Amino acid sequence: AQTVTQSQPEMSVQEAETVTLSCTYDTSENNYYLFWYKQPPSRQMILVIRQEAYKQQNATENRFSVNFQKAAKSFSLKISDSQLGDTAMYFCAFMKPLPGTYKYIFGTGTRLKVLA
Amino acid sequence: DAGVTQSPTHLIKTRGQQVTLRCSPKSGHDTVSWYQQALGQGPQFIFQYYEEEERQRGNFPDRFSGHQFPNYSSELNVNALLLGDSALYLCASNRDTNTEAFFGQGTRLTVV
Repeated sequence: AQTVTQSQPEMSVQEAETVTLSCTYDTSENNYYLFWYKQPPSRQMILVIRQEAYKQQNATENRFSVNFQKAAKSFSLKISDSQLGDTAMYFCAFMKPLPGTYKYIFGTGTRLKVLA
Repeated sequence: DAGVTQSPTHLIKTRGQQVTLRCSPKSGHDTVSWYQQALGQGPQFIFQYYEEEERQRGNFPDRFSGHQFPNYSSELNVNALLLGDSALYLCASNRDTNTEAFFGQGTRLTVV
C-alpha cells in the first residue's frame, strides 16, 4: 500500500522569503502522480502543483516549484517570495490512476505560517 | 461556475443518529469522491462514484454509504453515528480520466 509522509507539522517563514516543505512517499509503482494541495482556513482544498512521475522535469507554477526525486521517493515544495496569503495547511498527495478509479492518498499536512 | 458545493456547512448530531451530506460537482464533472478529514489529519478516502455506481471504497465500515444521482450530484450517508465520526467531510469531483480533482468547502460534522 502507498503511504505519504510529511515530517514537518508546522513551519513559518518571513514574508518575501523562500520556504521548502518536505514530503516522502512509499510505493512500488512506476507510473503515478504527485500533488501539493493548499487548505486555507476556508477549508477548501486548492491544487497548487502536480507532477507526473514519468516526467523528469520538475513542475513549476509561478512562485511554486517542486523538487521531485523519484529514486529517493521525495517530493518537496518550494515557495518563493512568500506572501501572507500563502498561510495555510499544505498537503502532499499521491495518486495511482487506474481504469475506473482516481483516489488521492494524503499526508498529514504541514501548517505554514507566513509572518509579516 | 459555482465549483463543487456541499451542504450543509456545519452539522451537529447525537451519537446513534443518522446523517446525510450532499454534494454538487463542478459543471462538466461526472465523478464524485468523498473524503473524511479528522482534526489534525489529512483527508482519508471513503469512496468514489461514477455513473451512479460505487466503483472504489476505502477502509470505512458499511455504516458509510453513498449514492450518485443522474445529474452527478451525490450523497454521503452515515448510520449509527459514533463520536469518532466527528470530522470534516470533503467532496471532490473530476472528469473521469482526469487526475485533477476539485474540492468543496466541506461539511463539518460534530457528533455529541
